[in-house]
Amino acid sequence: DGGITQSPKYLFRKEGQNVTLSCEQNLNHDAMYWYRQDPGQGLRLIYYSQIVNDFQKGDIAEGYSVSREKKESFPLTVTSAQKNPTAFYLCASSLQEKLFFGSGTQLSVL
Amino acid sequence: QQPVQSPQAVILREGEDAVINCSSSKALYSVHWYRQKHGEAPVFLMILLKGGEQKGHEKISASFNEKKQQSSLYLTASQLSYSGTYFCGTDPDSWGKLQFGAGTQVVVTP
Repeated sequence: DGGITQSPKYLFRKEGQNVTLSCEQNLNHDAMYWYRQDPGQGLRLIYYSQIVNDFQKGDIAEGYSVSREKKESFPLTVTSAQKNPTAFYLCASSLQEKLFFGSGTQLSVL
Repeated sequence: QQPVQSPQAVILREGEDAVINCSSSKALYSVHWYRQKHGEAPVFLMILLKGGEQKGHEKISASFNEKKQQSSLYLTASQLSYSGTYFCGTDPDSWGKLQFGAGTQVVVTP
């Protein structure tokens, strides 16, 4: 069954800690994206990658980092520099401009 | 810049119609529509490319006025399954880097 797998579903971060959200796809899509969703604000783009070993900042990249070493994987690290990390994080891949989303990770601060 | 959606919320009885609007301050290459049910990932509904075309998905259709940089989503003869939050995503240059609106919450009651 093809799709996008995000893990974990829920994640808690202590102050000063970096955490990494996993995103894996087996759809063979080149492009992958990370979005942040806050209540009442829709989805905002954090980072995107059009191809392996290349990625670009989105609108709210500060405090986040990514890597794209494999086509299937696009992990997002929320660093301690991100002062307000509590949000729902969605990973997506795209084919012919259509986005396919994972089921998301809810990150909360302890 | 994120597109502006209106209304923020709408409550319908089964069988009623509704219109959701999406406006952008930028010239657009395409407009995308997604629906998200509570606790789930957004699901693709349709893409409209510049040219003013209209598309449909079940009894949900949409139009795109390129000159006005606006799109409208039409929910016709609404069903209970139409409940959810509808997001428009705008793409100014075909790079797939979508800007999403804040969403319109639709509740369909029996």
